Amino acid sequence: DAGVTQSPTHLIKTRGQQVTLRCSPKSGHDTVSWYQQALGQGPQFIFQYYEEEERQRGNFPDRFSGHQFPNYSSELNVNALLLGDSALYLCASSLSGIGSYNEQFFGPGTRLTVL
Amino acid sequence: TQLLEQSPQFLSIQEGENLTVYCNSSSVFSSLQWYRQEPGEGPVLLVTVVTGGEVKKLKRLTFQFGDARKDSSLHITAAQPGDTGLYLCAASNGSSNTGKLIFGQGTTLQVKP
Repeated sequence: DAGVTQSPTHLIKTRGQQVTLRCSPKSGHDTVSWYQQALGQGPQFIFQYYEEEERQRGNFPDRFSGHQFPNYSSELNVNALLLGDSALYLCASSLSGIGSYNEQFFGPGTRLTVL
Repeated sequence: TQLLEQSPQFLSIQEGENLTVYCNSSSVFSSLQWYRQEPGEGPVLLVTVVTGGEVKKLKRLTFQFGDARKDSSLHITAAQPGDTGLYLCAASNGSSNTGKLIFGQGTTLQVKP
């Protein structure tokens, strides 16, 4: 049973470029959340997708957008990259519903470096 | 704004010592998770606590959820070098069992042989 997978593992971009990160959730999970983690800090919530719609959004600008596909996989897009967007981007999957306790399982992350 | 404050932020101990990490907030949470993260990898879920006063044990790790569901602690007995990593607490707000997890800033644990 594959866990959460993310691609690519590492990515180097320059300021102003656009990037797309991809995530496949754990088998049986229907909800995908994205987080940004700066070095030495806890992850910060970007947004969550459920039933192909953005269900909740954190305090991130509109340059950050996403999508969820019918097979529950998800993409995170960041436009007009800034140096400050350099971070580890984590995808987490979970199962929505009573009794789930919002347990989120994380992928290995994509390390984005903006030069 | 709901915040989770972890303490200490950094801990360096010798193999065999005991330690406790604290996770505190002024908000009530429906559930709280503890994760462990190694450099360059994603956080790995260790435990979920949901009931006030709940205690869960995972080998040498003991997790406790406060009676008022506002705080939690992680106690490690006889720490080993393999316990080295970043320990994160995370919680869901109020009555929700979906949506964002709010994370503490993490406790970096270094266990020296």
